[in-house]
Amino acid sequence: GAVVSQHPSWVICKSGTSVKIECRSLDFQATTMFWYRQFPKQSLMLMATSNEGSKATYEQGVEKDKFLINHASLTLSTLTVTSAHPEDSSFYICSTSGGQGARNTEAFFGQGTRLTVV
Amino acid sequence: AQSVTQPDIHITVSEGASLELRCNYSYGATPYLFWYVQSPGQGLQLLLKYFSGDTLVQGIKGFEAEFKRSQSSFNLRKPSVHWSDAAEYFCAVGAYAAGNKLTFGGGTRVLVKP
Repeated sequence: GAVVSQHPSWVICKSGTSVKIECRSLDFQATTMFWYRQFPKQSLMLMATSNEGSKATYEQGVEKDKFLINHASLTLSTLTVTSAHPEDSSFYICSTSGGQGARNTEAFFGQGTRLTVV
Repeated sequence: AQSVTQPDIHITVSEGASLELRCNYSYGATPYLFWYVQSPGQGLQLLLKYFSGDTLVQGIKGFEAEFKRSQSSFNLRKPSVHWSDAAEYFCAVGAYAAGNKLTFGGGTRVLVKP
């Protein structure tokens, strides 16, 4: 399967600062990437769909100005948590959607990033 | 809209015993169905997937799942669990029409007793 690398695996930041999380597709071109958020002992909730070369599509209730997504290339999508607050502390996971034009496809997930805002 | 329900939040099973995790989905057409496993603090590992064809799907680590359209279910089974199977298991549904994004169930935490 495809390899997705997410960096950093964990980060601690001060309240009010911004944090950037990178998601790289290492062995294929990903036109679409997804960003999920997982609170402790809860399921994964889709935050947004990242489309290469265009604006991301955010799920209802997700603040697009707070969670900035950039997908400037076919192998890299970034999620920036701006002006982070303790309630933003969570596990963030990215995934890719197979390959370009793939119909029957599975998602390949990054290792996740544990964000702690103090 | 697609949705997934995993009725069991926790399941405790003895090592060597069989395991079945329930998953029910809601989607208007034929969905793509997945089971993922997550160890604490880790990402997700795909156990198996169903796109079409044979409704009994074999996965890794001795897991299998059966797609039952009439029951809108995709239950995961393993005949004999190992202590290393203790983890969180997520059922997910995806659809091409939805851009291949996944909707996850709430997860089932499996505890394995020695």
